Amino acid sequence: GNSVTQMEGPVTLSEEAFLTINCTYTATGYPSLFWYVQYPGEGLQLLLKATKADDKGSNKGFEATYRKETTSFHLEKGSVQVSDSAVYFCALYPREGKLIFGQGTELSVKP
Amino acid sequence: EPEVTQTPSHQVTQMGQEVILRCVPISNHLYFYWYRQILGQKVEFLVSFYNNEISEKSEIFDDQFSVERPDGSNFTLKIRSTKLEDSAMYFCASSDLQGLGTDTQYFGPGTRLTVL
Repeated sequence: GNSVTQMEGPVTLSEEAFLTINCTYTATGYPSLFWYVQYPGEGLQLLLKATKADDKGSNKGFEATYRKETTSFHLEKGSVQVSDSAVYFCALYPREGKLIFGQGTELSVKP
Repeated sequence: EPEVTQTPSHQVTQMGQEVILRCVPISNHLYFYWYRQILGQKVEFLVSFYNNEISEKSEIFDDQFSVERPDGSNFTLKIRSTKLEDSAMYFCASSDLQGLGTDTQYFGPGTRLTVL
């Protein structure tokens, strides 16, 4: 079946630190992969996506590369800010129907 | 930029009461979804809707739940007789394509449902 596993949080970093949030997936076929972000008290916002192997999604300094060989879609940012504090969700879309979410990783960035 | 809107932002209800959660999807989108997130847990799929009928539903979406597109803009989720365990954040989403690998689901801000 289809599933997504994210690294457990919370992740606490200092401002300007490097961020990696790991995401691995299990899927049949060739799914699209997404990162959504949920800021405190708000809904889910699309952060970035990749639709095929080796695609790199990027937005607001965040990047993730669709790695079919390792079934991964790790989220990275070179220098985090306090305003990046949020919960990050990796999600898989198996070409029809529903999005399948990971459990979310809470990121807290301290000044 | 077009966005999905949801009302109310917070709904408090007594167990056993009916609630209707409302969503206005992005105007040219054709596929509509409801998801829920129980506090501290994963976002879970409830139902998808296309061409005025349910395309897929999860095992969570039992007979107590129903969806409707009553007019050209609104998409509603009704819970007939709420239970304590229905307390969650409910997200509406919409997309303009499905099954082609390039579609993206855009989410509303959510309705927090509290069942007392």
